[in-house]
Amino acid sequence: SQQGEEDPQALSIQEGENATMNCSYKTSINNLQWYRQNSGRGLVHLILIRSNEREKHSGRLRVTLDTSKKSSSLLITASRAADTASYFCATDGGNNRLAFGKGNQVVVIP
Amino acid sequence: NAGVMQNPRHLVRRRGQEARLRCSPMKGHSHVYWYRQLPEEGLKFMVYLQKENIIDESGMPKERFSAEFPKEGPSILRIQQVVRGDSAAYFCASSPLSEQETQYFGPGTRLLVL
Repeated sequence: SQQGEEDPQALSIQEGENATMNCSYKTSINNLQWYRQNSGRGLVHLILIRSNEREKHSGRLRVTLDTSKKSSSLLITASRAADTASYFCATDGGNNRLAFGKGNQVVVIP
Repeated sequence: NAGVMQNPRHLVRRRGQEARLRCSPMKGHSHVYWYRQLPEEGLKFMVYLQKENIIDESGMPKERFSAEFPKEGPSILRIQQVVRGDSAAYFCASSPLSEQETQYFGPGTRLLVL
């Protein structure tokens, strides 16, 4: 089954810098999604990219998808303290079962 | 439009007791999903339901766990005879029939088994 795996696991950056996270998966997918989770809270959907798309933007977020390498990256530009959270990628193979990675902990230092 | 609601937010049970977790999907959403998150881990799929119908329960443990989504009322995840290993955060998500790709998550129920 698919398994998103993020890299690196933890990232600490200064406010205003960019943060980049990567995710790899093992099998074919319909789409890949990124979620944010603040400590002790639920998940917030950030962005979805379909298997026939290579890049997608949403505000300060930029997601890329390389299906030949089975990998995706999430870039957060001009980071803010409020971006401090865990970020998860999740793959959907077309059966509505999301397979999540273990998450990236991002700390943005004001 | 209220988001996905889950209750209780925190639940403490002793070993052997039953745990009932409730999830009310967003208005107009007909699909409900349950996921479990162990500490320092990502979410693991458990079950996918529509009204009165279990679509996919391949992620559910074979024993003690059951889920339902009745015609009226919230979806219920039921754990019988809880053990310490059941301690986790349980998240519910919902999606509309017209946009099943995106799942909207609730705040979760944190279950602690003593």
